[in-house]
Amino acid sequence: DGGITQSPKYLFRKEGQNVTLSCEQNLNHDAMYWYRQDPGQGLRLIYYSQIVNDFQKGDIAEGYSVSREKKESFPLTVTSAQKNPTAFYLCASSSFPGPYEQYFGPGTRLTVT
Amino acid sequence: QQQVKQSPQSLIVQKGGISIINCAYENTAFDYFPWYQQFPGKGPALLIAIRPDVSEKKEGRFTISFNKSAKQFSLHIMDSQPGDSATYFCAASTQTSGSRLTFGEGTQLTVNP
Repeated sequence: DGGITQSPKYLFRKEGQNVTLSCEQNLNHDAMYWYRQDPGQGLRLIYYSQIVNDFQKGDIAEGYSVSREKKESFPLTVTSAQKNPTAFYLCASSSFPGPYEQYFGPGTRLTVT
Repeated sequence: QQQVKQSPQSLIVQKGGISIINCAYENTAFDYFPWYQQFPGKGPALLIAIRPDVSEKKEGRFTISFNKSAKQFSLHIMDSQPGDSATYFCAASTQTSGSRLTFGEGTQLTVNP
């Protein structure tokens, strides 16, 4: 089965701790993305990567960091510098260059208290 | 100029009715317009997509209508069913933005039985 896996589905952390969210894909896609979704809101792009060992900031990169050491993996670290980290985090992937259909993982719900 | 405006925010339709969700954009360089469907607690799933060389695309009960001169595109769900109740997002991208998508704010659709 080809697809995107995100783990864990639910994550709880104390304020001040860094936490890393996992995203793995076996679709042989070059591009991967991280989005944040808050209740009742749209998708905001955090970081994206179109090739291994390279990534770009999205619209809300502050307080987050990523790495892209392997084509299949694009982990996201939510640092203690992120002011409001509690949210639903979504990972996606697509071919690059085109077609640009993005396929999403099931998401990780992070709660920081 | 990179924004995609989506309306309405929420929509209630009776079973068997037609659901219509609209999106408008300013950037005339956008050349790919997908729609995504998201159920609560899940990742968005690609529903249907269109490019500006056609004015309409139909897949089953779902149709995208595209008006290039008005810079608008819409999703029509014919014979709406309770199982269609979900949040729908429009999006757009340009060749120069590569694989990066700009998302609308989302429409929460409720289909009453």
